[in-house]
Amino acid sequence: GAVVSQHPSRVICKSGTSVKIECRSLDFQATTMFWYRQFPKQSLMLMATSNEGSKATYEQGVEKDKFLINHASLTLSTLTVTSAHPEDSSFYICSARGRDGDTQYFGPGTRLTVL
Amino acid sequence: AQSVTQLGSHVSVSEGALVLLRCNYSSSVPPYLFWYVQYPNQGLQLLLKYTTGATLVKGINGFEAEFKKSETSFHLTKPSAHMSDAAEYFCAVSEGGGNKLTFGTGTQLKVEL
Repeated sequence: GAVVSQHPSRVICKSGTSVKIECRSLDFQATTMFWYRQFPKQSLMLMATSNEGSKATYEQGVEKDKFLINHASLTLSTLTVTSAHPEDSSFYICSARGRDGDTQYFGPGTRLTVL
Repeated sequence: AQSVTQLGSHVSVSEGALVLLRCNYSSSVPPYLFWYVQYPNQGLQLLLKYTTGATLVKGINGFEAEFKKSETSFHLTKPSAHMSDAAEYFCAVSEGGGNKLTFGTGTQLKVEL
């Protein structure tokens, strides 16, 4: 149980385009999902907390208009990187809060490369 | 505010040797503590967690960690390293259940023959 998937696993796009990443909890409902960004050989940095049916809460320094988050259902949250630029290239990982309310279960990550 | 310090960005052990990965935290409230493992180009997998109760917690793959409040530590150990344990390990803290996680900078574990 507590499986989280992400799609796509890898995406390459041109500068200026928008990219949508999906995060799904496969075998449980997640009222709260989290989006992280990880640079090479670094730790995870929380970008935003996504709550089903309400606006996401963004961490300081994260542009909410650039990183659009939609948590439309109890099993799906999406992150859209709008007008992507090379500096947005990174590994994006989502997590979902499990049934116990304490533990976050992580997706496999999405490698975004912006040319 | 909460924070996590992982001493040693790289740890190398011989196969069969003891694994000890260090984690110290700071938290203004009783912490919830987690260890996650990350293999290359993959997400994070939960190894173990401490919320309340018994301070020695056992996780998957033979790992365990002990919460020591007086030392503000949550070190991860495994009696005998296996080649498959080579990965990046992250310690994380949250202030109570369900709240956001703050991660340490990670420790890369290398296991040598």
